Amino acid sequence: GAVVSQHPSRVICKSGTSVKIECRSLDFQATTMFWYRQFPKQSLMLMATSNEGSKATYEQGVEKDKFLINHASLTLSTLTVTSAHPEDSSFYICSARHRDFYNEQFFGPGTRLTVL
Amino acid sequence: DAKTTQPPSMDCAEGRAANLPCNHSTISGNEYVYWYRQIHSQGPQYIIHGLKNNETNEMASLIITEDRKSSTLILPHATLRDTAVYYCIVRVNAGGTSYGKLTFGQGTILTVHP
Repeated sequence: GAVVSQHPSRVICKSGTSVKIECRSLDFQATTMFWYRQFPKQSLMLMATSNEGSKATYEQGVEKDKFLINHASLTLSTLTVTSAHPEDSSFYICSARHRDFYNEQFFGPGTRLTVL
Repeated sequence: DAKTTQPPSMDCAEGRAANLPCNHSTISGNEYVYWYRQIHSQGPQYIIHGLKNNETNEMASLIITEDRKSSTLILPHATLRDTAVYYCIVRVNAGGTSYGKLTFGQGTILTVHP
């Protein structure tokens, strides 16, 4: 149980286009989802926290107009990278906090974004 | 969240116990110690967490010192599949603006060799 999926697993896009990444909790309801970014050989950096039905809270230095987060249901959150540029190329990982076991956070497998 | 300090890398022979240390000298009374690991190009995987007492599950054991300033994650019989980056994180489990956030440090790269 407690499986989190991400789609797509890999995406390559041209500079200037927008890319949407989906994060789904498959067998549980998640009141909160988190989005992280990880550059090569670096640790995970939290980008934003999203609660179902409300606006996301972004970490300092993360542009909310560039990284649009929607958390419309208890099982789905989306991250849209708008007008992507090569420097946005990274590994994007989501995690979901279980509605009933709120001290536990389950991670998705990640999405590798490459912007040409 | 309090910061943690971990050695950048460790080696372990397959079948032997892997003991991964973590210092968290500024930990607060309401902060838990969490351990996650990340196998290359995958999302992090939860291992174990604890507050004061030692904890054990099917994956590992967590030993927390009495003053809570340090802890050790023990993988009792390491296998090649345990090769990963191991993250020690301290986190408040209830209340506060940082509720739920996990702040990842650089972690320890554990390499299990045959």
